[in-house]
Amino acid sequence: GNSVTQMEGPVTLSEEAFLTINCTYTATGYPSLFWYVQYPGEGLQLLLKATKADDKGSNKGFEATYRKETTSFHLEKGSVQVSDSAVYFCALRQAGTALIFGKGTTLSVSS
Amino acid sequence: NAGVTQTPKFQVLKTGQSMTLQCAQDMNHNSMYWYRQDPGMGLRLIYYSASEGTTDKGEVPNGYNVSRLNKREFSLRLESAAPSQTSVYFCASSEGAGGGGSSYGYTFGSGTRLTVV
Repeated sequence: GNSVTQMEGPVTLSEEAFLTINCTYTATGYPSLFWYVQYPGEGLQLLLKATKADDKGSNKGFEATYRKETTSFHLEKGSVQVSDSAVYFCALRQAGTALIFGKGTTLSVSS
Repeated sequence: NAGVTQTPKFQVLKTGQSMTLQCAQDMNHNSMYWYRQDPGMGLRLIYYSASEGTTDKGEVPNGYNVSRLNKREFSLRLESAAPSQTSVYFCASSEGAGGGGSSYGYTFGSGTRLTVV
C-alpha cells in the first residue's frame, strides 16, 4: 500500500542554517504530495504542495520538488529562523483516498 | 474565519466512560476526517466521510464510531474508553475525496487532548 517515510528527528540547527528534511514515498499511480507544519499546541497547517512530477511547491521560504524518479519530496529552506521550530509532516494523497502522513520530523532552531 | 472547530479542547475520562468529540466546519467542504496523533506514530486515520451521508473506516477504527450529522458536522464517539485511546484527536475537512480532488489539502482543527485513566 501507499506509505510515506521521513527522516527521523529531532533536527537541531542554529539560526540561519540550511535545512533539509528528507521524505520518500511509495505509491501506485501519481499522488499529490504535501508538507504540513505543526506548531506547539496547535493543529496542522498546510505548508506547501505539488501535484505532479517536477512541480516545485514553495511557501514562507520553504520549498520542495516532486521527484518521481527518486519518489522523493524533500523539504528545504535556505536560512531557518527560531520561529520555524515545529514538527513537519510529509504526506501524500491519491485519487479516492485520504491523506497518508509520515511520522513527522521535529525541528528545533536556536539563536 | 473559523475553519474547523473542535470541542472540547481537553478531556479526562475514566476507563469505561463514553464521550463524543464534536467537529464542525464552515467552508462547505464535502469531506471530513478524524485522525489520532500519538508520539512517534504520526497521524493515523480513524474514520472519514467522503460526503454527507457516507462514512468509512480508516486505519485504526476499533473502539470508535462516527456520525456525519450534516454537511458541516462530523462527530467521533468513544463508547467505552480505554487507556490506549489516550491521544490527541484531530478533525479535518477538504473540498474533495478523490479523482481530481486528490490535489486538495486538508484544513485541520486545533485538536482535542484526551486522557483516559
